[in-house]
Amino acid sequence: DTGVSQNPRHKITKRGQNVTFRCDPISEHNRLYWYRQTLGQGPEFLTYFQNEAQLEKSRLLSDRFSAERPKGSFSTLEIQRTEQGDSAMYLCASSPGSNEQFFGPGTRLTVL
Amino acid sequence: SQQGEEDPQALSIQEGENATMNCSYKTSINNLQWYRQNSGRGLVHLILIRSNEREKHSGRLRVTLDTSKKSSSLLITASRAADTASYFCVTGSNYKLTFGKGTLLTVNP
Repeated sequence: DTGVSQNPRHKITKRGQNVTFRCDPISEHNRLYWYRQTLGQGPEFLTYFQNEAQLEKSRLLSDRFSAERPKGSFSTLEIQRTEQGDSAMYLCASSPGSNEQFFGPGTRLTVL
Repeated sequence: SQQGEEDPQALSIQEGENATMNCSYKTSINNLQWYRQNSGRGLVHLILIRSNEREKHSGRLRVTLDTSKKSSSLLITASRAADTASYFCVTGSNYKLTFGKGTLLTVNP
């Protein structure tokens, strides 16, 4: 399967713990995006990379959130000191620079 | 903030019927996209229509765009049970997509 992959698919954690998610984009895609989706809502943009450079961050991305794409391939999204309000589906997408974005299956985070 | 607003929020039809979903947006756009999300295949791009286009077809999908009214519609003809999903109207630049809340379409066999 050459689509976007995300790991883990599900994560349950206790409030205050740190979590890290990984996204592997489609190999030839230089752009990578993170979105967050809560129940009943559409995905909301979090951040965007072109190669290894993080070019835009949403105001939704508080100081507890950090994303990296160190070699311009896979990306990680870390949430420190998780809160119950962080419970959501975290979606990663990639694109070759076109308008169409290719989404992964998401990581569902539950903070107890 | 979410730019597009889909209407209706939920739609239930019988297999074989047509489904129409509408979207209204607030600011000027270069293009508008429709995405579908279901538990099986996740979030998938369906079709893009540019601001200088009025209508576009792709298989059983027909999209219209009226920039003067800031609205778009998605028509799915001859619906199938597999079309059951949430459909999102998406605006934004090519790096930052802005999704509406979606229309939940249920196609009953």
